[in-house]
Amino acid sequence: GESVGLHLPTLSVQEGDNSIINCAYSNSASDYFIWYKQESGKGPQFIIDIRSNMDKRQGQRVTVLLNKTVKHLSLQIAATQPGDSAVYFCAENTGGFKTIFGAGTRLFVKA
Amino acid sequence: GAVVSQHPSWVICKSGTSVKIECRSLDFQATTMFWYRQFPKQSLMLMATSNEGSKATYEQGVEKDKFLINHASLTLSTLTVTSAHPEDSSFYICSATGTANANTEAFFGQGTRLTVV
Repeated sequence: GESVGLHLPTLSVQEGDNSIINCAYSNSASDYFIWYKQESGKGPQFIIDIRSNMDKRQGQRVTVLLNKTVKHLSLQIAATQPGDSAVYFCAENTGGFKTIFGAGTRLFVKA
Repeated sequence: GAVVSQHPSWVICKSGTSVKIECRSLDFQATTMFWYRQFPKQSLMLMATSNEGSKATYEQGVEKDKFLINHASLTLSTLTVTSAHPEDSSFYICSATGTANANTEAFFGQGTRLTVV
């Protein structure tokens, strides 16, 4: 069935380094993708989104890349900070409104 | 961004009782609301989609008679877990969109931790 998944369940980076979190999706018809950050005991927090007519979008310290050919998304966080430690989910909008989440990657930032 | 508020933040109930969770959009009208369930160290699983004034659409495998969803106004949706059992213990999260257009950002509540004892 449809799924959005992640290659790496955990990622540990040194403070100040760049982080790259990857995601694979299977529904080639999906045309809207979102990255969320979730801290323990809280709801998901929107980070950045991208539509399928783009292959790159930049925000403040974050960049999302979309490769539709191989159905792959990535989230790049520049100069990772301790406050970036959380679980990151990629998600896709399927059927227009529904947001389906991937498995998640836990990011640890070492001081 | 828009604010979605859930109440309560956490609840403990006895097995066999029912629990109601509220999801409110505080500064926008939510045409569509979504309910998710999240078990520890797992992803968010979509349970159902509700549009104001109509019946909710449940995902496959989600019992509509056990998880009652009401979306009576453009700012409030409720999820009632009926005859709760310990296996229903989970983190329940709602989200809402304020537009009838597809492919727009949904805003999430802070979640409700349900523990059934």
